[in-house]
This record gives sequence, structure tokens and C-alpha cells, in this order.
Amino acid sequence: EAGVAQSPRYKIIEKRQSVAFWCNPISGHATLYWYQQILGQGPKLLIQFQNNGVVDDSQLPKDRFSAERLKGVDSTLKIQPAKLEDSAVYLCASSLSNQPQHFGDGTRLSIL
Amino acid sequence: AQSVTQLDSQVPVFEEAPVELRCNYSSSVSVYLFWYVQYPNQGLQLLLKYLSGSTLVESINGFEAEFNKSQTSFHLRKPSVHISDTAEYFCAVTVNSGGYQKVTFGTGTKLQVIP
Repeated sequence: EAGVAQSPRYKIIEKRQSVAFWCNPISGHATLYWYQQILGQGPKLLIQFQNNGVVDDSQLPKDRFSAERLKGVDSTLKIQPAKLEDSAVYLCASSLSNQPQHFGDGTRLSIL
Repeated sequence: AQSVTQLDSQVPVFEEAPVELRCNYSSSVSVYLFWYVQYPNQGLQLLLKYLSGSTLVESINGFEAEFNKSQTSFHLRKPSVHISDTAEYFCAVTVNSGGYQKVTFGTGTKLQVIP
């Protein structure tokens, strides 16, 4: 089966600019996750979708981050405006209910 | 709320030596437990999982982990490591919460295999 696809792999922007990441999960996986992984740390959940509904966005900085999963398939995560502390790898994962997550290779974001 | 503790941020070990990466968790409800491995510039890959049944679980590349409910641990072990095992390892716990699964990751342990 095809894995979780993410794009772009790398992105460099200046602070206060906007950026968007895209994720296409494994076909049939109802649950989709976005994580932020800062260098040297474990993944931190930003938002979790069940189909096209949000089930957990408690750690999403909603003043600058937004995410959507239209039609319950692929998803986009947006940052507007970006801050220096947003430099991180943004990981997307998908899963079936109560099953392990499958991760994409991530998008490495650098803020100048 | 559940939590995961990986006390060792880095573990250096000589090639062909045994290794144990420690993971402890806390939760007031039943958990599922996972170990993921992350190679440089890649996402996380599932190494092994405990959902139910036998408390000892094994991966295809020689790693094993044992679920110990009384000690709330899920330590990862390998009797003889290879250079290719150099990577970062994450322990994760999942609980069912409000009809969906809630996942918490540990902070990771970097395994460095020394030739």
C-alpha cells in the first residue's frame, strides 16, 4: 500500500510569512494526525481528525495555526504568521481505529 | 491524563552488545503501547506494539519489549545491536478517550551504536 505522502519536504521562510503543508493519508484511514517535532524532542500532537471532524486540537496555537481535512481525506496545515519558534519538522500520520499510526517523512520548516 | 517517560535521552553501546531502552508510563485506564524508530530525515516507523495477549512482543529485526503492568513499563531490548540500529527510538501510549484514541509520545532515546 502507498504510505502517507507529505509535501513539501523542506520549506524556508522568513518570520511573519505564511506557509502551508499538505498531507495525503493512507487510503481508508479515518484518523489523521498533525505533529510538531522540535529538534531533540518527541512529536507533539497539534491536531487530530476523525474523518473530517476535529477530535483534539487542544495543543494547536489557534491564533496562528489552522488545519482542515475537507472530504475526510487529505489535509492541509497552515501557519500564519510564522514565528521563529515554529522551526520544526511537521509530521503527518494516519491510522485505522485502535491501530498503530503510519507516518509520512515530514516537512522540515526553517524560519529565518 | 496519560504520560510517557523515557529517562535516557542517549544510550551509547558497542556493536554486538545488548541494549535496553527504558519506557515507563502512567495512565488510569487500559493502554496500548508502541515503540517507534526514527532514522535521520525520516518519519517514525512502527517497531513493535502491545495491544493485548502475550506481554512479550517481538519485531522482525530482533528487538523485543515486555509489557509489565505492575511496574507500568514497556522496556525495549535487543541482545546484540548492529550499526544499522543507530536511530532515535520513541515509546508511545494510546488510550481510548471519548470514542477516539489519544496518543502520547515520550521524548525519545537516541541509540548510538559504536563500531
